[in-house]
Amino acid sequence: DAGVTQSPTHLIKTRGQHVTLRCSPISGHKSVSWYQQVLGQGPQFIFQYYEKEERGRGNFPDRFSARQFPNYSSELNVNALLLGDSALYLCASSLTGTGVATGELFFGEGSRLTVL
Amino acid sequence: EDKVVQSPLSLVVHEGDTVTLNCSYEVTNFRSLLWYKQEKKAPTFLFMLTSSGIEKKSGRLSSILDKKELFSILNITATQTGDSAVYLCAVAADRGSTLGRLYFGRGTQLTVWP
Repeated sequence: DAGVTQSPTHLIKTRGQHVTLRCSPISGHKSVSWYQQVLGQGPQFIFQYYEKEERGRGNFPDRFSARQFPNYSSELNVNALLLGDSALYLCASSLTGTGVATGELFFGEGSRLTVL
Repeated sequence: EDKVVQSPLSLVVHEGDTVTLNCSYEVTNFRSLLWYKQEKKAPTFLFMLTSSGIEKKSGRLSSILDKKELFSILNITATQTGDSAVYLCAVAADRGSTLGRLYFGRGTQLTVWP
């Protein structure tokens, strides 16, 4: 069975540009969460989506947005990129929205974004 | 402000050594504490702890939670080079309409030399 898949794996952008990151959850999983991991830091929560609705948002500016599609895949969009947005962006899926509390949160390999 | 603090931030040992990784937390509406291993990119789940004093074990790894002192430890005995990784501690909290989110610490970088 395929795990959580993310694309692209690596990308380079320049300041001010826009980026779209994509995530496909494990088949049957309905919840997708996004995390940002800056080098040397732990992952920071950005968004959680469950059944195509936003269920949680971390302390990130409005330049960050996301959505979940009917097939439960998800996109993370970041506008007006800053140097500080350089990070590994992790997507995680769970069967239900409460997956976190049961440990059933599965991470993808991430998208490494470099902003020059 | 919710926070999760791990120590040490880095640790270098030789194969066969035993290590103890620490995690303290201050998170409102605590639900559970989780340990992950991150070798290159994707964190992989190790343990989830919800009750104090009950040790979880998996092979050479074990973990325990103290909800009174807001603290958890992860022990690895007879370390191997394959244990080299970043070990992340995370806390799950209830946030009203938010069904769940994880607060992560910075991680402990463990390096095991042959």
